Amino acid sequence: GQNIDQPTEMTATEGAIVQINCTYQTSGFNGLFWYQQHAGEAPTFLSYNVLDGLEEKGRFSSFLSRSKGYSYLLLKELQMKDSASYLCAVGNDYKLSFGAGTTVTVRA
Amino acid sequence: SAVISQKPSRDICQRGTSLTIQCQVDSQVTMMFWYRQQPGQSLTLIATANQGSEATYESGFVIDKFPISRPNLTFSTLTVSNMSPEDSSIYLCSACWTSGRAGSYEQYFGPGTRLTVT
Repeated sequence: GQNIDQPTEMTATEGAIVQINCTYQTSGFNGLFWYQQHAGEAPTFLSYNVLDGLEEKGRFSSFLSRSKGYSYLLLKELQMKDSASYLCAVGNDYKLSFGAGTTVTVRA
Repeated sequence: SAVISQKPSRDICQRGTSLTIQCQVDSQVTMMFWYRQQPGQSLTLIATANQGSEATYESGFVIDKFPISRPNLTFSTLTVSNMSPEDSSIYLCSACWTSGRAGSYEQYFGPGTRLTVT
């Protein structure tokens, strides 16, 4: 079975940093994905980790520890447009299992 | 990344009817999938669309209810059959292909089809 946990909501101030944690217990694993989803829109691909360590892409970074079943998405220099839902997903044979999503609210 | 388009973008349908959703990718991809996102929830995989053969369905989804076609590497359709209000949802096509790094792949989503069944 698949069990993917992430916090329901987080609030942060514009310009700050927020870290969204994701823990998973899955029957198979070949990568961890992070997506951003604004209300009423489709998910947008942010990052993919298949090896342990940190992947940095501009203001967004993603970390993976396969032995701990743990990942996080780090959002730096928060902007108002970063207010969205962030979805953690585990890939297994190219199929994705999603967590419930974390709603991030950025306040001025 | 490739461009994934879906049509229709939204529809309102009557109970008992069927709707076919089309998904087109602008380049050849390794895999194509169909997901569902019910109101206020996260995404759930319906099935893998296999090119030239029957789709592979996840637990809880059956071919009679969600027939899928994939006649070539860039196009797929999902039909929602004999609809009921419980089928009101966003249906998303996704495409996956390997990236430059060994063992890595990327998966993107189409814009989604918002279906309301009355």
